[in-house]
Amino acid sequence: NAGVTQTPKFQVLKTGQSMTLQCAQDMNHNSMYWYRQDPGMGLRLIYYSASEGTTDKGEVPNGYNVSRLNKREFSLRLESAAPSQTSVYFCASSVMGNEQFFGPGTRLTVL
Amino acid sequence: GENVEQHPSTLSVQEGDSAVIKCTYSDSASNYFPWYKQELGKRPQLIIDIRSNVGEKKDQRIAVTLNKTAKHFSLHITETQPEDSAVYFCAAGTSGTYKYIFGTGTRLKVLA
Repeated sequence: NAGVTQTPKFQVLKTGQSMTLQCAQDMNHNSMYWYRQDPGMGLRLIYYSASEGTTDKGEVPNGYNVSRLNKREFSLRLESAAPSQTSVYFCASSVMGNEQFFGPGTRLTVL
Repeated sequence: GENVEQHPSTLSVQEGDSAVIKCTYSDSASNYFPWYKQELGKRPQLIIDIRSNVGEKKDQRIAVTLNKTAKHFSLHITETQPEDSAVYFCAAGTSGTYKYIFGTGTRLKVLA
């Protein structure tokens, strides 16, 4: 089992560019999450998907959109990147209310 | 809104000493309390968790205690080793919901 995988690992964007971060899990989990991690801020929830076909906003959703493509895949889109979105992005999956399994992360820099 | 406070933000201990990290949560509905370890450049990984129906759980050198009345829980690492150096995150979650709030992390340094 690969667990939770993310692509790309690193990305540099210019302000105003768009991109999609991909996440997939092979653990048959219903719930998937996107977090951003900034120094001193811990992990902050951007969006989550409780089950296939549903998505909801977390703590910091502004500037992002998500798509739960199927049970395995959950993507995060930045439509017009801003320097404030420079961060490390983690995808996670779980059985809701239980241990979350994290992907390796995407380090995004917006210039 | 709900939040989880974690202290201290940094902690340095001598190898072989104990380390204690404390978290306080605000949502009384929280009933699941995991602890994650994140090594530099790596993903967070679960090291131990506890549910609200128990007060303490141990796994070798690691233990977690929970005080539901005071709404706080703590991570205890005994006989610390250099490989324990990492950032530790606590979290509070509620079974059956997405709610899973992380603390801001504690950077633990174990000095050889």
